Amino acid sequence: ELKVEQNPLFLSMQEGKNYTIYCNYSTTSDRLYWYRQDPGKSLESLFVLLSNGAVKQEGRLMASLDTKARLSTLHITAAVHDLSATYFCAGDHFGNEKLTFGTGTRLTIIP
Amino acid sequence: DAGVIQSPRHEVTEMGQEVTLRCKPISGHDYLFWYRQTMMRGLELLIYFNNNVPIDDSGMPEDRFSAKMPNASFSTLKIQPSEPRDSAVYFCASRADRASPDTQYFGPGTRLTVL
Repeated sequence: ELKVEQNPLFLSMQEGKNYTIYCNYSTTSDRLYWYRQDPGKSLESLFVLLSNGAVKQEGRLMASLDTKARLSTLHITAAVHDLSATYFCAGDHFGNEKLTFGTGTRLTIIP
Repeated sequence: DAGVIQSPRHEVTEMGQEVTLRCKPISGHDYLFWYRQTMMRGLELLIYFNNNVPIDDSGMPEDRFSAKMPNASFSTLKIQPSEPRDSAVYFCASRADRASPDTQYFGPGTRLTVL
């Protein structure tokens, strides 16, 4: 059974700073996903990482995947207030569309 | 495309009543998923369908929950009878065929409150 752990659970950071959210998973996962959720809203897809060494970037967010370490990271560069949200990683199971989500990281950017 | 559509957006009901949540997936998507989100348990997959056929319902909490997908453009999640512990946000999501390096697209959710 795939288990996904994120850390930290809560992150408060100042605008302009850099930080990284970590996502560890327990068994081989076919794909790794990152989602964003604003309070009271739905989940918005950010990245899909398909293979070892995959790196994707969008604006101030960059996600990477290391399948050997069973680790994905979401790096935030020069944070701005608009990035305040909860970020989830999720892994799927090869041959199965079931997604297992991490607990989420609630990110608060302080001006 | 309008995205995944869910109704109602909010539902308040009393314990013991039947609740039906509805979902219209993105046109052309082969997979449909029902999730539940609570503070205590996070995001949980309840059931998913492929081409209208239920594939994995291991996340359905108990027999009070049932889901159907009578056609490619409509699915329901029913709770009968409802209990206060069913209060949560229920999301529907859909995605294209697995061969596509695509993601699951989530609907806006239904916030269910059972009194």
